[in-house]
Parts: sequence; structure tokens; C-alpha cells
Amino acid sequence: GAGVSQSPRYKVTKRGQDVALRCDPISGHVSLYWYRQALGQGPEFLTYFNYEAQQDKSGLPNDRFSAERPEGSISTLTIQRTEQGDSAMYLCASSLRRDQPQHFGDGTRLSIL
Amino acid sequence: GENVEQHPSTLSVQEGDSAVIKCTYSDSASNYFPWYKQELGKGPQLIIDIRSNVGEKKDQRIAVTLNKTAKHFSLHITETQPEDSAVYFCAATDPMEYGNKLVFGAGTILRVKS
Repeated sequence: GAGVSQSPRYKVTKRGQDVALRCDPISGHVSLYWYRQALGQGPEFLTYFNYEAQQDKSGLPNDRFSAERPEGSISTLTIQRTEQGDSAMYLCASSLRRDQPQHFGDGTRLSIL
Repeated sequence: GENVEQHPSTLSVQEGDSAVIKCTYSDSASNYFPWYKQELGKGPQLIIDIRSNVGEKKDQRIAVTLNKTAKHFSLHITETQPEDSAVYFCAATDPMEYGNKLVFGAGTILRVKS
């Protein structure tokens, strides 16, 4: 029973570059969530998918951030023209249905130089 | 929107003692309250959750209590062990209203001294 898998675990890139973060949810989980966690803080919601439909993107900070889940399984969070303020841990979670508990992956630690 | 406050920010206890972490929430519509444990370099791990139709839930050494009227809920860990040392987060949501979008507290660093 594999858990939520995220890759890469660590990403260091220069300011201005684009990055793509991948999330592979638990098999059969319909709902998928992205959160961002600053050092010493709790996770903050970014966006949520039900199957392939992006149901809520109210937490995305600006239009440099986008996410997709084209086949209702793997999801990619893309950050364009990265800025130093984008440095954080990016967490993905999935749940069997939207009213069921969320299970998190170990995240991608993103550092923008 | 929902706002969750968590106290204390750090907690040190002696091995074998109990630890209590408290959270308050602002939106009376919230009806699902999970607790997560996060170890260094790992993602949050769900340890227990409670829904608003229940006042208390227990799982071995861990229990959660909910007071809907006062809008607060607490995590109780008994007989603490060194491996309980971690950061603990509470969260709140209304899954049907907010699509299970969790709003987290700022976290409590628990240190269990042996």
C-alpha cells in the first residue's frame, strides 16, 4: 500500500526559472490537494481537484502558480518565473472522497536562489 | 473564512507525563477536526480526527475532545514517550462546504524528555 508520492524531494533553482512539482496520490483516491508550508508554520491550502476537475484554486497566490490533473491521477503544480518568496515546502495530499481524511506525502522542499 | 489558533507553541514534558494541546476555531460551520504529527523532513501524518457529532474520541494513548459551543478542541497524549517528540498540527474544515480544504493551526513543538 504505497502512500502519496512526491517528486522531486528537493529542488534548488535560480530565480526566474520555471519549476514543476509532481504528486502521485494513493491509488483510487478521487480527491487531491496541494498545500504550501513555510518554515515554522502550518500548511496553507493552494488548490483542490476532484477527479480531473480543479474544484477550488482560491489559495493559489497569483497567476504564476498553476496545477493540473489531466487524467484524474497524477498532478503537477507548476510555478513560472520563480521568486525567492516561493521558497517553501510544497505538500500534496489525497483522500478517497472529499469528505474522507487527507493523507499527505513527504513534500518537495523548493529553494529559490 | 475559517481561522484556527493553536496553543502552546512549544511544550516540554517528562517521559511518562501527559501532554495537552488546544485549538480554537472561528467558523461554527466547521465539523471535521483532524490532528497531524509531523517529524523532521516528513509530511504531516494523520494521528486522529473527530467529527462534530462526537464529543470525544480515543485511540490508545491519544484522545481528542471537542466543545462545539466554545469552538475548541484538544489533543491529549498520555504516557508520553520520546518518539512522541514532533510538531503537532490541528486543523478544521467543513468537507461539504469547503471541499475538505483544511485550515491549520500554527503548530506545537512537543519535546518529551527521557
